[in-house]
Amino acid sequence: EAGVAQSPRYKIIEKRQSVAFWCNPISGHATLYWYQQILGQGPKLLIQFQNNGVVDDSQLPKDRFSAERLKGVDSTLKIQPAKLEDSAVYLCASSPGLKGVGYGYTFGSGTRLTVV
Amino acid sequence: GENVEQHPSTLSVQEGDSAVIKCTYSDSASNYFPWYKQELGKGPQLIIDIRSNVGEKKDQRIAVTLNKTAKHFSLHITETQPEDSAVYFCAASRAGGTSYGKLTFGQGTILTVHP
Repeated sequence: EAGVAQSPRYKIIEKRQSVAFWCNPISGHATLYWYQQILGQGPKLLIQFQNNGVVDDSQLPKDRFSAERLKGVDSTLKIQPAKLEDSAVYLCASSPGLKGVGYGYTFGSGTRLTVV
Repeated sequence: GENVEQHPSTLSVQEGDSAVIKCTYSDSASNYFPWYKQELGKGPQLIIDIRSNVGEKKDQRIAVTLNKTAKHFSLHITETQPEDSAVYFCAASRAGGTSYGKLTFGQGTILTVHP
């Protein structure tokens, strides 16, 4: 089975610019997660989708971050404007459903963002 | 919310030795505790997990133990090999409400196995 696909793998932007990341989850997975992993730390959940609806976005900095999951499949995460502290790896994960914890919860390889 | 503390931050062992990584959690409602291995340039990969109704689980050279009363769980790797070198993360999650499926991660342990 194909894994979680993310693109781009790397991105370097200047502060105050905008950037977008794309995620294609495993086919049939209803739940999709975006995590932010700052260097030397564990991943932190930004937003969780169930199909095309948001389940949890309590830790998403909504003044600059936005995410959508059109048609309950692919998802994009956008940052506008970017700050230096947004430099991190952005991980996408998917699972079969709300009972997904422990059931096929799979991470992509991530997008490494550097803001200069 | 949930808080997960992980120790040590770095661990260096000789090939063939055992390695132990410990985590504590704060939310007594957490009931699922996975461990992930992350290699350079890759996403975290699940290596073993345990649920709150079980005290210990083994999978070949890897084992996890859970003490619900003390709210801590540990990863044990025996007969370590150089390919075990990576960053290891513990995590915790609980069922119910909007947090279902959300993983709270520890800070990670860099494990180095010297040949």
